[in-house]
Amino acid sequence: NAGVTQTPKFRVLKTGQSMTLLCAQDMNHEYMYWYRQDPGMGLRLIHYSVGEGTTAKGEVPDGYNVSRLKKQNFLLGLESAAPSQTSVYFCASNQGPLKAFFGQGTRLTVV
Amino acid sequence: EDQVTQSPEALRLQEGESSSLNCSYTVSGLRGLFWYRQDPGKGPEFLFTLYSAGEEKEKERLKATLTKKESFLHITAPKPEDSATYLCAVLPNSGGSNYKLTFGKGTLLTVNP
Repeated sequence: NAGVTQTPKFRVLKTGQSMTLLCAQDMNHEYMYWYRQDPGMGLRLIHYSVGEGTTAKGEVPDGYNVSRLKKQNFLLGLESAAPSQTSVYFCASNQGPLKAFFGQGTRLTVV
Repeated sequence: EDQVTQSPEALRLQEGESSSLNCSYTVSGLRGLFWYRQDPGKGPEFLFTLYSAGEEKEKERLKATLTKKESFLHITAPKPEDSATYLCAVLPNSGGSNYKLTFGKGTLLTVNP
């Protein structure tokens, strides 16, 4: 039982490049979330999904896009990376108002 | 707007020295309050959920309590392996169909041997 798996774990991008972060969960959860974690800022919600085919904006959505084509996968895209997007990204999933399970994180550096 | 404030930002204890971490919250109706532990380079790991004032949950050396305005995470006789960042999060009772958590910034706990 893998839980929540994030790919890749580390990535370095040049300013203006694009990339996609993949989150996969094997718990059949309806709800999935993308957070970013920065020193002194805590975890901030970027986008979330309440089910297959749905997405919604969170607290800090600018510069990011997401897709949930399959229930088990939630993709986070950066179309034109900026140094301000250097962060650690966490994916999470849950089933209703129950505990959320987190992935191990993706450390992204934009130079 | 939902707000979660954790204090202190950092806490250094000697092994065996008991203490408490605080999580103050402002939310328009609380559906649940969550405590997570996060080790360096890892994702947050679930510890407890509290749903109503007066509720308490325990796990090994940790006990979480909840009032209408704050939650405490009590650490009794801590060991070095309890060193981690402890995160508090609230789930508001917004009546909507999403279950977004609002997190505090965390308390970095260091337990020295």
